[in-house]
Amino acid sequence: EPEVTQTPSHQVTQMGQEVILRCVPISNHLYFYWYRQILGQKVEFLVSFYNNEISEKSEIFDDQFSVERPDGSNFTLKIRSTKLEDSAMYFCASSEVIPEETQYFGPGTRLLVL
Amino acid sequence: KQEVTQIPAALSVPEGENLVLNCSFTDSAIYNLQWFRQDPGKGLTSLLLIQSSQREQTSGRLNASLDKSSGRSTLYIAASQPGDSATYLCAVFKAAGNKLTFGGGTRVLVKP
Repeated sequence: EPEVTQTPSHQVTQMGQEVILRCVPISNHLYFYWYRQILGQKVEFLVSFYNNEISEKSEIFDDQFSVERPDGSNFTLKIRSTKLEDSAMYFCASSEVIPEETQYFGPGTRLLVL
Repeated sequence: KQEVTQIPAALSVPEGENLVLNCSFTDSAIYNLQWFRQDPGKGLTSLLLIQSSQREQTSGRLNASLDKSSGRSTLYIAASQPGDSATYLCAVFKAAGNKLTFGGGTRVLVKP
């Protein structure tokens, strides 16, 4: 069964460093998302992406964050200068033809900023 | 702003008992509601999606109901098993807005 994959599974970085989280959505899906979950808190929406552009973003998704679909398969989230409060589990998700359909989530990348 | 609440936050039942998990949301202008399972330190597994026009959706031992006008959904898990132990999350997809808004989850423990 097709699934969303994410790499790396864990990343430790120093405050101020740039990180890139990678995702491979399900191949025929057109809508892509990033969410995050700070330990003990709710899953929060960051950004949605369709047709090579951002379709919606939350207040969390400030200028330090960017997303890109560099080729036909990868979808990346870049954090330019990490802060301690960026430590969280980051989930990528995708949905097929319309955004209202089921969103399928990847296993997540656990980011720890020291 | 949409707020999603899940009560109780945690639940412990003996094996074989039926589970009832509740989800409420403040803005009834939703397109659909999705139930997920999350195992510790893992990703989210989609269990059921129920459209706003539907009252109920079933998959195996799982049954989800939706009362959009009162802003409530309930997930029923019949004849619980220890393997059902996990956190269950509900999330709503708003009619205008390309995103899911999540509840805080109910952590379920099924004791053998």
